[in-house]
Amino acid sequence: DVKVTQSSRYLVKRTGEKVFLECVQDMDHENMFWYRQDPGLGLRLIYFSYDVKMKEKGDIPEGYSVSREKKERFSLILESASTNQTSMYLCASSLVAAAYNEQFFGPGTRLTVL
Amino acid sequence: AQKVTQAQTEISVVEKEDVTLDCVYETRDTTYYLFWYKQPPSGELVFLIRRNSFDEQNEISGRYSWNFQKSTSSFNFTITASQVVDSAVYFCALSEAGTNAGKSTFGDGTTLTVKP
Repeated sequence: DVKVTQSSRYLVKRTGEKVFLECVQDMDHENMFWYRQDPGLGLRLIYFSYDVKMKEKGDIPEGYSVSREKKERFSLILESASTNQTSMYLCASSLVAAAYNEQFFGPGTRLTVL
Repeated sequence: AQKVTQAQTEISVVEKEDVTLDCVYETRDTTYYLFWYKQPPSGELVFLIRRNSFDEQNEISGRYSWNFQKSTSSFNFTITASQVVDSAVYFCALSEAGTNAGKSTFGDGTTLTVKP
């Protein structure tokens, strides 16, 4: 089974802190994604990556950056956390960059910014 | 631009009732894929089904069935004889083959509560 793991289930940070959210997948998937999930807004794509060192902006990239130095790891970075970034963050992966591939999700990180 | 609408924000049923979750999509692409995912209270989204735009056959898997109709741009999901374990948030998603391959647009989700 594909396993997508995220470094923390719950995280509390202060405004202005730099925050790193880590995601690791163990099935050699090429594609990786970061979403945020907010009540009533569904899943919104922040960034995705279809290869090592490659990244593309999603629908809401402002205030975020990403890093993919190794194929299995995709990091989401909040350069200076703000209260409006309090949310559930979901990482996902898929086999290749093709529309027919389903995504495999991690358990999520619930981030609270105080 | 692609768009997915799940008009039902929340649905509540009593166990053993049938329930249908609606999904309407918009796309200009002729080749696309539709998905349903389930997010139980534990939080992890799980893939349920995929349909491509050229295959309008309905599908049944146990108590689950899916009705894909291109004429109405809908991909509805029916749970027959619902059970408490079906309580979850369900997401419909769309991926277009022509642009940003591999990226999906998700609906806002429908929260289903099945009461005993």
